[in-house]
Amino acid sequence: SQTIHQWPATLVQPVGSPLSLECTVEGTSNPNLYWYRQAAGRGLQLLFYSVGIGQISSEVPQNLSASRPQDRQFILSSKKLLLSDSGFYLCAWNGPLRYNSPLHFGNGTRLTVT
Amino acid sequence: GIQVEQSPPDLILQEGANSTLRCNFSDSVNNLQWFHQNPWGQLINLFYIPSGTKQNGRLSATTVATERYSLLYISSSQTTDSGVYFCTPGGGADGLTFGKGTHLIIQP
Repeated sequence: SQTIHQWPATLVQPVGSPLSLECTVEGTSNPNLYWYRQAAGRGLQLLFYSVGIGQISSEVPQNLSASRPQDRQFILSSKKLLLSDSGFYLCAWNGPLRYNSPLHFGNGTRLTVT
Repeated sequence: GIQVEQSPPDLILQEGANSTLRCNFSDSVNNLQWFHQNPWGQLINLFYIPSGTKQNGRLSATTVATERYSLLYISSSQTTDSGVYFCTPGGGADGLTFGKGTHLIIQP
């Protein structure tokens, strides 16, 4: 069966520090991968999605970037965190069809920028 | 892109009550998915229901794609049903758009 792993579960980082959140999927190949952010306890905002290795689409211009170095690995990064980057970050996958396959989420990373 | 509207935004019920949550979407969709976000933030798949009706225990969902809405029914509510319920219709130019959710509180 397919599983999605996301780490770390919680993270406290100072303003201006770098960020790297990692997500991996097991049990499937060529998944569509997504990064979402949830701020203020409600509402999911799609940040990035990827349909293949090296293919990244950004939904919202911001201080963050994403990369997909391997088929089942998706990384969310920042060179310098801002206070406004605090939030709950969720990785998700679906496939093979982007619009016709159920979406599955990881357990999320709660990021606090101080 | 597709607009998603969920109602009600907040709902407080006593344990044992029944409830209906609604998800309206602005355009044709290829699928419809309901999630429950528990107090720890985990998003749990409830239903993947492009059309028709499905039931899973005390929960059931109905999607009427031609009329652009989906309903989630919760019967005999329990405190563990508390949390936020999201729908996403998928499809469209901007892909997997989420509604703002319904915040459900079940009081003992």
